Amino acid sequence: GAVVSQHPSRVICKSGTSVKIECRSLDFQATTMFWYRQFPKQSLMLMATSNEGSKATYEQGVEKDKFLINHASLTLSTLTVTSAHPEDSSFYICSASTGKNTEAFFGQGTRLTVV
Amino acid sequence: DAKTTQPPSMDCAEGRAANLPCNHSTISGNEYVYWYRQIHSQGPQYIIHGLKNNETNEMASLIITEDRKSSTLILPHATLRDTAVYYCIVRVPFMIKAAGNKLTFGGGTRVLVKP
Repeated sequence: GAVVSQHPSRVICKSGTSVKIECRSLDFQATTMFWYRQFPKQSLMLMATSNEGSKATYEQGVEKDKFLINHASLTLSTLTVTSAHPEDSSFYICSASTGKNTEAFFGQGTRLTVV
Repeated sequence: DAKTTQPPSMDCAEGRAANLPCNHSTISGNEYVYWYRQIHSQGPQYIIHGLKNNETNEMASLIITEDRKSSTLILPHATLRDTAVYYCIVRVPFMIKAAGNKLTFGGGTRVLVKP
């Protein structure tokens, strides 16, 4: 299957700072990327859908000004957690789709810890 | 997208077949059944998908009932590395529903393969 790479895999940041997470599709062009958040022992919760060249669509209850998403190219989407707080500590996962395949491919996830 | 119901957990013996059930009684005619799994602290991995015919690939087999209201994922010879949370999802495939290509996760089944 296609490869989706996330970076970094782990990050620790201080409360009040911002953190950027990158999601790259390595061998295909992703017209759509998705960002999920997963708390311990819970399922993945969709945060937003990112379409190349347009504004992201956020799920209900997700603050768009806090979780900035940029999808500037067909192979890269970024999620920036602004003014991070300890409650933002979570496992963030991206997924990418060409819109032509019948499945989505997932990155390996980024473990964010805010101290 | 239709909702699914899966048992929260199950154990299986290494080397034996693991049969994972999923109920999707409200599935509509153009929705496919997808299976993903998530090994601890990793992103989800695509396993298999199908519409109405049984499907098999190198990872697993998917058996869909004739009325399409339920399905079973079969891992033919479970190994310790198959220990993961398995998610059954029903949705319109990405190639048809290009806008809003969401993949919504339920609780999944936590499978523990024991030696």
